Amino acid sequence: AQTVTQSQPEMSVQEAETVTLSCTYDTSESDYYLFWYKQPPSRQMILVIRQEAYKQQNATENRFSVNFQKAAKSFSLKISDSQLGDAAMYFCAYVDNDMRFGAGTRLTVKP
Amino acid sequence: NAGVTQTPKFQVLKTGQSMTLQCAQDMNHNSMYWYRQDPGMGLRLIYYSASEGTTDKGEVPNGYNVSRLNKREFSLRLESAAPSQTSVYFCASSPRGANTQYFGPGTRLTVL
Repeated sequence: AQTVTQSQPEMSVQEAETVTLSCTYDTSESDYYLFWYKQPPSRQMILVIRQEAYKQQNATENRFSVNFQKAAKSFSLKISDSQLGDAAMYFCAYVDNDMRFGAGTRLTVKP
Repeated sequence: NAGVTQTPKFQVLKTGQSMTLQCAQDMNHNSMYWYRQDPGMGLRLIYYSASEGTTDKGEVPNGYNVSRLNKREFSLRLESAAPSQTSVYFCASSPRGANTQYFGPGTRLTVL
């Protein structure tokens, strides 16, 4: 079964600085999707960014970008110019025929 | 569009009671999903429905049943609730499998 590992239970960043959240996954598939979701205290799951495995180019959404290393099965999220509103739980997720989530990383943003 | 809606938002049950969690989406998505979220474990898939009329087990299906009532609605039933089913339950939908999933606001369920 596919597994998703987020090795950083908690991370902290200074406002306006850059932070990188790590994610690794295990799969024997070649076609799949990877996602980062944000969960603020409201509990709502919000899509941050998505990456198709067949695309070599790293996905970018405004201040959010990923470093997708397919051979290494690594999918890290970089948040640039961190804002107070970025504070949340961040979940990495893998999808082929089902969906697997990592355990999450709690991000704190210090003013 | 409301997106994905779930009812109720909160529920407290006694051990052995039954209840149904409701989920509806207005995005004309084919696939729908039920997850549970427990502290330190991320989200785990309970059941999913790839299309109207089909349902399949996910990672943790024991103690649950589902019904894909129509394309819009996908319900989750606990026949005899147990304290181990205390969790936050999320419903999600996607246009098709292996695609972006859109989540409802969640239901916090406590079983005493």
